[in-house]
Amino acid sequence: SQTIHQWPATLVQPVGSPLSLECTVEGTSNPNLYWYRQAAGRGLQLLFYSVGIGQISSEVPQNLSASRPQDRQFILSSKKLLLSDSGFYLCAWSKGPRAEQYFGPGTRLTVT
Amino acid sequence: GESVGLHLPTLSVQEGDNSIINCAYSNSASDYFIWYKQESGKGPQFIIDIRSNMDKRQGQRVTVLLNKTVKHLSLQIAATQPGDSAVYFCAERTGGFKTIFGAGTRLFVKA
Repeated sequence: SQTIHQWPATLVQPVGSPLSLECTVEGTSNPNLYWYRQAAGRGLQLLFYSVGIGQISSEVPQNLSASRPQDRQFILSSKKLLLSDSGFYLCAWSKGPRAEQYFGPGTRLTVT
Repeated sequence: GESVGLHLPTLSVQEGDNSIINCAYSNSASDYFIWYKQESGKGPQFIIDIRSNMDKRQGQRVTVLLNKTVKHLSLQIAATQPGDSAVYFCAERTGGFKTIFGAGTRLFVKA
């Protein structure tokens, strides 16, 4: 069976510090991968998606970036965090672009 | 622009009753709809989906209804249990990769 992991589970970072969140998927190959952000009490906002290694599409221009160095690894980064970057970050995978997405446990980021 | 909205932000039901969570969408070109359940502090969990060529789909204790005429989607949960308490999101997809999520409805189940 497939599983998706995210770490860290929680993170508190000062404004201006860098960020690296990692997501890995097990039990499948060549998944589509996604990064979402969820503000408190709100829905999910798609940040990035990837259909393959090194292929990243950005949905929302901001100070975040994503990379996919390996088939089942997806990384969300920032060089300098802003207060507005606080939120719940979710990674998801799907078999294809039109298949249902399965979400990881999320990372709660608080920028202070 | 595209939007997916929910009629009620909070729904409270008695244990054992049926729950109905509603959702409106605005993009008539959307061809795939999904319901997710999100428990506190966890990622959303896929519940059920429906494609636009269908108007009803049933799962275990859940039924999704799609009315394309009025662009309305609903999730029905039969015999609601305390474990059903969560936030429920509807989402739409219009081809491609982008899934648009609604703001969510919080379901409270009273024992």
